[in-house]
Amino acid sequence: AQKITQTQPGMFVQEKEAVTLDCTYDTSDQSYGLFWYKQPSSGEMIFLIYQGSYDEQNATEGRYSLNFQKARKSANLVISASQLGDSAMYFCAILPRGYQKVTFGTGTKLQVIP
Amino acid sequence: DSGVTQTPKHLITATGQRVTLRCSPRSGDLSVYWYQQSLDQGLQFLIQYYNGEERAKGNILERFSAQQFPDLHSELNLSSLELGDSALYFCASSVTDRGQPQHFGDGTRLSIL
Repeated sequence: AQKITQTQPGMFVQEKEAVTLDCTYDTSDQSYGLFWYKQPSSGEMIFLIYQGSYDEQNATEGRYSLNFQKARKSANLVISASQLGDSAMYFCAILPRGYQKVTFGTGTKLQVIP
Repeated sequence: DSGVTQTPKHLITATGQRVTLRCSPRSGDLSVYWYQQSLDQGLQFLIQYYNGEERAKGNILERFSAQQFPDLHSELNLSSLELGDSALYFCASSVTDRGQPQHFGDGTRLSIL
């Protein structure tokens, strides 16, 4: 079974500052994918970034980067230069290869302060 | 815009009723997933279809059923609705049946009165 732990239920960050959202995971599988999704107050789920367990480099997508530490089983999301539009719930998720069921964490609510 | 289309966006109905939620995946995606998001349960995987066949089942109640049609769109049927079924129901799609990021639709908000 897979488990995702997001220990920060809520966070505040000043506009233009960087912020790190924590995610730790537990899986017995050797090959897996890690995902981050953003859910604004309007409700839609927006895919942000993906990291494969065998990827040698940390994933980056624009202002989003993933601080992947395999030995620690952590996959923290870093948002640089925060914008007001970044205020949302952020979910970390894991999908082991060969499986179909994605397991999501409980999410972190990020609020960007002007 | 993720390319995944869900209809309707909102649905209000009463206990005991039956509803059908519809999902059209992104062009080229063969796999469709259904999720339920409620305040107390978080985001829960319900069921997955790949190219018309059921591939995986999660926490889906027996009152719920789904199917994927030859044109790859999918429908989630919820019957004998209870107050606790009020939730946001998401459909997601991916190219194949494993490993890829799943792209979500905007969801259908179901309210049971």
